[in-house]
Amino acid sequence: GAGVSQSPSNKVTEKGKDVELRCDPISGHTALYWYRQSLGQGLEFLIYFQGNSAPDKSGLPSDRFSAERTGGSVSTLTIQRTQQEDSAVYLCASSRDRDNEQFFGPGTRLTVL
Amino acid sequence: DQQVKQNSPSLSVQEGRISILNCDYTNSMFDYFLWYKKYPAEGPTFLISISSIKDKNEDGRFTVFLNKSAKHLSLHIVPSQPGDSAVYFCAASAVGGHETSGSRLTFGEGTQLTVNP
Repeated sequence: GAGVSQSPSNKVTEKGKDVELRCDPISGHTALYWYRQSLGQGLEFLIYFQGNSAPDKSGLPSDRFSAERTGGSVSTLTIQRTQQEDSAVYLCASSRDRDNEQFFGPGTRLTVL
Repeated sequence: DQQVKQNSPSLSVQEGRISILNCDYTNSMFDYFLWYKKYPAEGPTFLISISSIKDKNEDGRFTVFLNKSAKHLSLHIVPSQPGDSAVYFCAASAVGGHETSGSRLTFGEGTQLTVNP
């Protein structure tokens, strides 16, 4: 079956612009996570969704970052007024429920010039 | 602070030999540990996991060992194959936070494994 998909695969933007990153989880997966991987770093947790609710937003690095999930499916991560330090690979993962193995998408590579 | 640490950024082994990847953690609340494998331009894929009630879990060529007193885990791959060449991430999650945090994973920095033919 289809895995987790993310779009775009690559995004180059200018400092100060807003970007939207999309995640399509595996159908039926109720839990959805966003992580990011900066150069030379491990994956850093950003936000967790259970259904359409986000009980844990503690990993979002600043108020320029927001995310939503609709219909218990697609999620969008929005970064406003992008900065160069936002450059990273943004990864989305989903799992059947909160305690299950997480399946990752291929990521979106964001480059802020 | 780095709660999960992989101190070796890279490891090179010969095909057929054993690969040992190490991981240390500091948070005693972690109760579930996972290894993920990542190829370039792909997302991490789950490899093997271990619960804190065990000290060993084996799946084919892959074995994970957990030493709770030392807060250390390791992944053994034997025999190593060239197709195993990838970045390996150690990850951990904590009990008790699942209601609000799901199974949010805390990752190490990764170890690039290269298996030479």
